[in-house]
Amino acid sequence: EPEVTQTPSHQVTQMGQEVILRCVPISNHLYFYWYRQILGQKVEFLVSFYNNEISEKSEIFDDQFSVERPDGSNFTLKIRSTKLEDSAMYFCASSDRLQDPSYEQYFGPGTRLTVT
Amino acid sequence: RKEVEQDPGPFNVPEGATVAFNCTYSNSASQSFFWYRQDCRKEPKLLMSVYSSGNEDGRFTAQLNRASQYISLLIRDSKLSDSATYLCVVNLAGRRALTFGSGTRLQVQP
Repeated sequence: EPEVTQTPSHQVTQMGQEVILRCVPISNHLYFYWYRQILGQKVEFLVSFYNNEISEKSEIFDDQFSVERPDGSNFTLKIRSTKLEDSAMYFCASSDRLQDPSYEQYFGPGTRLTVT
Repeated sequence: RKEVEQDPGPFNVPEGATVAFNCTYSNSASQSFFWYRQDCRKEPKLLMSVYSSGNEDGRFTAQLNRASQYISLLIRDSKLSDSATYLCVVNLAGRRALTFGSGTRLQVQP
């Protein structure tokens, strides 16, 4: 069964450093997403990406965040200058139905980001 | 008011029990509704979509009441493997962002 993969599984970084979280969505999917989940809290939407541009973003997704699809397979989330409050699990997701937003979003296993 | 509210839990039930979870959503423009399951420190996984007429998948039954902005999930004949956090999830018409509830934790005991 195809699946979304994410690397690394755990990233530890110092405050102020840049991090790049990587995702490989399911190969025939066209919509890509990033969500985050702070420990003990709910899953929160960050951004969706389609046709090489951002299609939606939340208030959390400020200028410190950026996304990119550098090649035909990877989808990345960059945090330019990490803060302690960026510590969370970051989930990548993908979906394939252009016309049906109710279609399932498949989630990757997540990257646990720890900012010290 | 929270966009998606769920029973706080945890629900501790014996194997074989029937358990029901409830969820309310605040935005009447919500279009699509789901129940996701999340195991500890794992990713959310879709359990089932929720349709207006109600739908069933094996031991799981989901109901939607648009007038009351209320969603439910019923699990019959609970198994130990059903132990997880159940997330009520909605999205608004024309949008792809999923809005998650905080989840209800279920612990099925032998």
